[in-house]
Amino acid sequence: DADVTQTPRNRITKTGKRIMLECSQTKGHDRMYWYRQDPGLGLRLIYYSFDVKDINKGEISDGYSVSRQAQAKFSLSLESAIPNQTALYFCATSPPGTYNEQFFGPGTRLTVL
Amino acid sequence: SQKIEQNSEALNIQEGKTATLTCNYTNYSPAYLQWYRQDPGRGPVFLLLIRENEKEKRKERLKVTFDTTLKQSLFHITASQPADSATYLCALDPPSSASKIIFGSGTRLSIRP
Repeated sequence: DADVTQTPRNRITKTGKRIMLECSQTKGHDRMYWYRQDPGLGLRLIYYSFDVKDINKGEISDGYSVSRQAQAKFSLSLESAIPNQTALYFCATSPPGTYNEQFFGPGTRLTVL
Repeated sequence: SQKIEQNSEALNIQEGKTATLTCNYTNYSPAYLQWYRQDPGRGPVFLLLIRENEKEKRKERLKVTFDTTLKQSLFHITASQPADSATYLCALDPPSSASKIIFGSGTRLSIRP
């Protein structure tokens, strides 16, 4: 079984709709992250969380919100989706310690029409 | 702010040769640098980490070097195989990272038989 799972894997939606992407992990890591990936721009950090009570904005948090429901669950919401939020979204976890190796989920391909 | 540049978007080499990928960074020197592999439609997978006081790190056919004077890391795959074809990302810790890392946009490596 995958250590980091994401649902849905693919989603097509319309401008203005609210969308939630979910992430679950069985790695037991406290640190969880949401990234988006666009061609030529690499991975950019949206939000990250070090534990259930800790939520931090990343590089590109505008238009997104998150919820850390439990140690193992971290959800990303687009309150009112717009076409330039079309991208590949990845959830990742990281073990405690200095080096922040990232363990990624399989990704969600989101298309906003 | 810290910038990461990875050489050329794509690199094509003959099977059996050594592939060398470059990661350059600007401004301050990171405490460590990471390399990931990403296959199409999948999340990145952590490969190697090298610390600032390490010149070289090896893992099977992979070798990473870290030159803080040149502000550069080189990633080598010796005896390359078609199965090594993928996109390779470098990542490092930004200043005041608070347990975040930033990624380069990647180099797409193709190994032809």
